[in-house]
Amino acid sequence: RKEVEQDPGPFNVPEGATVAFNCTYSNSASQSFFWYRQDCRKEPKLLMSVYSSGNEDGRFTAQLNRASQYISLLIRDSKLSDSATYLCVVTVSGKLIFGTGTRLQVFP
Amino acid sequence: EAGVTQFPSHSVIEKGQTVTLRCDPISGHDNLYWYRRVMGKEIKFLLHFVKESKQDESGMPNNRFLAERTGGTYSTLKVQPAELEDSGVYFCASSQEQGEIGELFFGEGSRLTVL
Repeated sequence: RKEVEQDPGPFNVPEGATVAFNCTYSNSASQSFFWYRQDCRKEPKLLMSVYSSGNEDGRFTAQLNRASQYISLLIRDSKLSDSATYLCVVTVSGKLIFGTGTRLQVFP
Repeated sequence: EAGVTQFPSHSVIEKGQTVTLRCDPISGHDNLYWYRRVMGKEIKFLLHFVKESKQDESGMPNNRFLAERTGGTYSTLKVQPAELEDSGVYFCASSQEQGEIGELFFGEGSRLTVL
């Protein structure tokens, strides 16, 4: 079983749509939680950290449920530029543990 | 400010040959990490340097892989001899933070193809 599980997608959505990604992690000792974004053949870049209280950054909202070991990312009013792979990441013992990523394609 | 730079961007070698990948972290970042993505799989941790010292090398696949960080600046990752299953994208990342890991800044990766 993978340490971080994500639906690989792809999610094909029209501009303006709201899309949600989910992620589960297996290690209850996971300490920190992030969403990274990776464009095709580019490096991963931090999108946002995820906190139990939930946090929002513009059109992006992230949520963590430690009891269920579940992380989510909501993107509202999708833009063409949101097309990318979204990586769910947790830290265990100082190491980043990545999910395989969920691919999002936003079409006009 | 320059980001994390990696060289080469792509390397094609034959099984049994040697390849050395180089990473230049962001200036002033003490933490340097190597990660690898094999096709179809998730990005996986290889090792972590703090300055010139190996903090954690638990992700190194086997003794064909050797990482060094001379003087706590740039790092090299040598694969010798390369095998087919070593093909993938090798990412280097750096960070400034001590203690709890925060944001890592990744290079664009070195794509290795072993034929």
